[in-house]
Amino acid sequence: GENVEQHPSTLSVQEGDSAVIKCTYSDSASNYFPWYKQELGKRPQLIIDIRSNVGEKKDQRIAVTLNKTAKHFSLHITETQPEDSAVYFCAGYSGGGADGLTFGKGTHLIIQP
Amino acid sequence: DAMVIQNPRYQVTQFGKPVTLSCSQTLNHNVMYWYQQKSSQAPKLLFHYYDKDFNNEADTPDNFQSRRPNTSFCFLDIRSPGLGDAAMYLCATSLNQAYNEQFFGPGTRLTVL
Repeated sequence: GENVEQHPSTLSVQEGDSAVIKCTYSDSASNYFPWYKQELGKRPQLIIDIRSNVGEKKDQRIAVTLNKTAKHFSLHITETQPEDSAVYFCAGYSGGGADGLTFGKGTHLIIQP
Repeated sequence: DAMVIQNPRYQVTQFGKPVTLSCSQTLNHNVMYWYQQKSSQAPKLLFHYYDKDFNNEADTPDNFQSRRPNTSFCFLDIRSPGLGDAAMYLCATSLNQAYNEQFFGPGTRLTVL
């Protein structure tokens, strides 16, 4: 099955700076990579996703890049704001026997004022 | 608004006492998932239904069962909860398969005494 590794586990940046979270995956058949943001005590919410036929996708301050050869993908947040503080999960989907997502262990992003 | 609803939001049970968590959706999605999320960990897929077809993850304990009587409802039954089953249980839906966005419910926080 799919295995997703995520780094770092904690990331602290100054407000206004950029944040980058990286994930690697093991299954070369994986074709869909969403990123979820989870605030304390709340449900995970999709913030951006990328499919394997695209190398980069951007939505305002958030961007995701995918390198299929190296089997890694990254989340980039620019001009960070206090409300960006949360736990971010990457996930992979290979469409194997199970149709669920395999999540990385999460990154706790802390925006310092 | 179309949404994923989970009841109850908080559930307290005693060691070994069966408990049922419920999930309903107004999105008319074909797929419903149950995830277990322990403190400071990523969501872990337990099982999912594609329509009426049940798919169990290989490492989901037999103690966990699920029912989907119709498109809108899905239940998670824990037959004999142990202390290690205390967690947040998240229900999610997607239109067809995980290639599409998964919409999460608010979760049920299970406490086992």
